[in-house]
Amino acid sequence: SQQGEEDPQALSIQEGENATMNCSYKTSINNLQWYRQNSGRGLVHLILIRSNEREKHSGRLRVTLDTSKKSSSLLITASRAADTASYFCATGNNDMRFGAGTRLTVKP
Amino acid sequence: DAGVIQSPRHEVTEMGQEVTLRCKPISGHNSLFWYRQTMMRGLELLIYFNNNVPIDDSGMPEDRFSAKMPNASFSTLKIQPSEPRDSAVYFCASSWASGGREQFFGPGTRLTVL
Repeated sequence: SQQGEEDPQALSIQEGENATMNCSYKTSINNLQWYRQNSGRGLVHLILIRSNEREKHSGRLRVTLDTSKKSSSLLITASRAADTASYFCATGNNDMRFGAGTRLTVKP
Repeated sequence: DAGVIQSPRHEVTEMGQEVTLRCKPISGHNSLFWYRQTMMRGLELLIYFNNNVPIDDSGMPEDRFSAKMPNASFSTLKIQPSEPRDSAVYFCASSWASGGREQFFGPGTRLTVL
């Protein structure tokens, strides 16, 4: 099964700064998804990027996908304290697998 | 829409007891997933259903774990007998159709087995 691996494991920044998280995977994909998990909550879908797309935007989120390098990045611009959460990438079709996540802390 | 509903939200039980976790997917979704999350192992897919039929249960750790989906609006995950290492947060998620679609997660059930 496919599984994304996020990097870094933890990231701490000041409010207003940009946060970049990376995801690597091992096999061919149809799409890649990013999710956010606030402490004690379920995961929330952020964005899906298809294998034929290179970049996608949603509000302050920007996701890129490089299928030749089997990697994706999630950029959060102008971060806020409320962005503090764990961020996961996920690949796969029916049997979607999640990586270990990046724990982002945004300090006010 | 109420989202995915899970019950109970918290469960504390003693080793050897039977535990039943419940999930109500979002109406109209036809795929349902059960996950387990721990600090050590992260988020693991246990089993998923399409149109109430179990498709892949390779993630179910042992025979002590079983899952059912008797209809489109209800699923259970049962652990019998429970063990301390089963302590985790169990999430249910649902999606429309299959094939890498966005999944909607429930709030989870935090299980503690003493």
